[in-house]
Amino acid sequence: DAGITQSPRHKVTETGTPVTLRCHQTENHRYMYWYRQDPGHGLRLIHYSYGVKDTDKGEVSDGYSVSRSKTEDFLLTLESATSSQTSVYFCAISSSGGRSYEQYFGPGTRLTVT
Amino acid sequence: SQQGEEDPQALSIQEGENATMNCSYKTSINNLQWYRQNSGRGLVHLILIRSNEREKHSGRLRVTLDTSKKSSSLLITASRAADTASYFCATDVSDSGGSNYKLTFGKGTLLTVNP
Repeated sequence: DAGITQSPRHKVTETGTPVTLRCHQTENHRYMYWYRQDPGHGLRLIHYSYGVKDTDKGEVSDGYSVSRSKTEDFLLTLESATSSQTSVYFCAISSSGGRSYEQYFGPGTRLTVT
Repeated sequence: SQQGEEDPQALSIQEGENATMNCSYKTSINNLQWYRQNSGRGLVHLILIRSNEREKHSGRLRVTLDTSKKSSSLLITASRAADTASYFCATDVSDSGGSNYKLTFGKGTLLTVNP
């Protein structure tokens, strides 16, 4: 998994509680991404980062915030978890955000909101 | 919204047969990529084809791109049980500033290779 770890790998939480997922990379890649994967929807981009403290929204950013205070860590926070945020979350990294660069994915975090 | 759409949604073949998956997209692209996902794992990059390329090979993989039809195909030859996975196409989309590119993924084709 190209030097990418995600924590926790599994989490069950209650509606209304805040949740933070962590993505850690050892590749020193500039770009980091958070996706969610749901049946029938494929992979959808939540937020991405193009450098320390530089982030931007993706396709499904409502209800999520991110922070990147150092190159190796990208945090995804669900401010008040809802059942619709039950999903598998993947972090990805890329050495460039320009054209023709592949992304490398972490192992995923399975989040269940009850 | 999804840029790429794979077809078929599911494909079941016997070991040794070839598997072909298709991807259609809506807007112009700079490149198209194919990824594989084994059950319960993250996606793994397979191959990238640029918009000015028509065909590319990597081992048992052959990818074609037809920009006039906005479509791509992934062919896996002499399939093995270990090829059982979901396969996704992804196309690049630039951000509003035009300097950062994001990938948009299709919903995937689930390939089952029976031994």
